[in-house]
Amino acid sequence: DAGITQSPRHKVTETGTPVTLRCHQTENHRYMYWYRQDPGHGLRLIHYSYGVKDTDKGEVSDGYSVSRSKTEDFLLTLESATSSQTSVYFCAISRGGGRALETQYFGPGTRLLVL
Amino acid sequence: SQQGEEDPQALSIQEGENATMNCSYKTSINNLQWYRQNSGRGLVHLILIRSNEREKHSGRLRVTLDTSKKSSSLLITASRAADTASYFCATDARGGADGLTFGKGTHLIIQP
Repeated sequence: DAGITQSPRHKVTETGTPVTLRCHQTENHRYMYWYRQDPGHGLRLIHYSYGVKDTDKGEVSDGYSVSRSKTEDFLLTLESATSSQTSVYFCAISRGGGRALETQYFGPGTRLLVL
Repeated sequence: SQQGEEDPQALSIQEGENATMNCSYKTSINNLQWYRQNSGRGLVHLILIRSNEREKHSGRLRVTLDTSKKSSSLLITASRAADTASYFCATDARGGADGLTFGKGTHLIIQP
């Protein structure tokens, strides 16, 4: 497995509380991504990063923010969690992006339940 | 709606048989990828096929790409119980965003 870890692996929180999920890689890949997976929707891109401090929005970015202060860490923050953000969150990394989009390697996922 | 749509949504076959899954997409792509996801786990990359390729093999996997029909197929030959999983096709994300756009997946069950 590619060196990707996610923390926490499971979290239960209440509506309105802030939540931060962490993705850590040991591969020194430039590109990092956050996806959410929900029944009936497959995986959807939330935010991505193409370098330290370089991030951009994906398809379902509302209610989420990200930060990348180091190559190895990509943080996803739910500023004020809502029940609609209950999901499984996956981090992925890739050597190439954009028109050179290559294989993505996925972390094990974080199961988030917002009550 | 998703860029990639897999068909069928679910497939159940006997061990040893071949399994074929299809994927259709809407816009032009640079490449198309197939991933496998075992229950409760992350996605594992299976194969990437570029837009200028028509067929690609990897072990028991065969992927075809028809850009004129905007479709791809994944064939798993001589299926095994361990092949039971969900299979997703993924293409370049729409709207200029980086990342992949995934279909909803085909859930494959191999009966022993």
